[in-house]
Amino acid sequence: GEDVEQSLFLSVREGDSSVINCTYTDSSSTYLYWYKQEPGAGLQLLTYIFSNMDMKQDQRLTVLLNKKDKHLSLRIADTQTGDSAIYFCAETLTGGGNKLTFGTGTQLKVEL
Amino acid sequence: GAVVSQHPSRVICKSGTSVKIECRSLDFQATTMFWYRQFPKKSLMLMATSNEGSKATYEQGVEKDKFLINHASLTLSTLTVTSAHPEDSSFYICSARRTGLNNSPLHFGNGTRLTVT
Repeated sequence: GEDVEQSLFLSVREGDSSVINCTYTDSSSTYLYWYKQEPGAGLQLLTYIFSNMDMKQDQRLTVLLNKKDKHLSLRIADTQTGDSAIYFCAETLTGGGNKLTFGTGTQLKVEL
Repeated sequence: GAVVSQHPSRVICKSGTSVKIECRSLDFQATTMFWYRQFPKKSLMLMATSNEGSKATYEQGVEKDKFLINHASLTLSTLTVTSAHPEDSSFYICSARRTGLNNSPLHFGNGTRLTVT
C-alpha cells in the first residue's frame, strides 16, 4: 500500500529559505501535490508536479522530485511569517482513480 | 480559479442529533467529490468518494449508515452525520475535481468544525 511521510516540525527565521521534505513508497504515483493548511482552515493547493518532471518553480516555491529515491521537496524562498502553516504533500497513483494519499503534514514555524 | 464552498464552517450539536454539511463547487462541475476527516494534529483521512447520481464509495472502516452522502447534482454533495456522538467531533473537509480533467488538482473547501456535546 501507499505510505507518505513527512517530518513533523520545521522552524526557520524570517527571510531564510525553508525546505519541507516528503518521502513516499509507491512508485506508481502520477501527480504529487503540496497543500498548505492554516489554523482552522481547509487546504490550499500550492503547487503540483507531474511524476515525469524533476523540478517545477513558481515564484517563491520550488518543487524537486527524485523518483529514484521517492523523495519530494518543497522549497520556500524568503520565508515570511505568513508562511507559517501545516504543509501536506500528497500523491495520486496510476490506477488509483482520483484518490489522494496525504502525508502526515509538516508544521512550519517562521520566527522573526 | 476553482472554488469549493463548504457550509457550515462551524457547528455545535447535541448527542443524538444529525448534522448536514454541504460542499459546493462554485465555478465548475464535479462528478466526483471527496469527504475527508482530520483529527487534531493528524493528516487527512479519506472517508468516502461521492459520485453524482450514484452511491458513494466508502473507505474501509467508515460506517455508511452513520455518514450519509448525497450527490444530487454536479455542483453539490452533502455529508450528514447521523445520531452524532462526541467521538464524531472532528474537522470535516470536502474536495472536488473538475469533471473531465482526470488527475487535475483537487480543490478543497474550508472545512467544517463539528463539535458534539
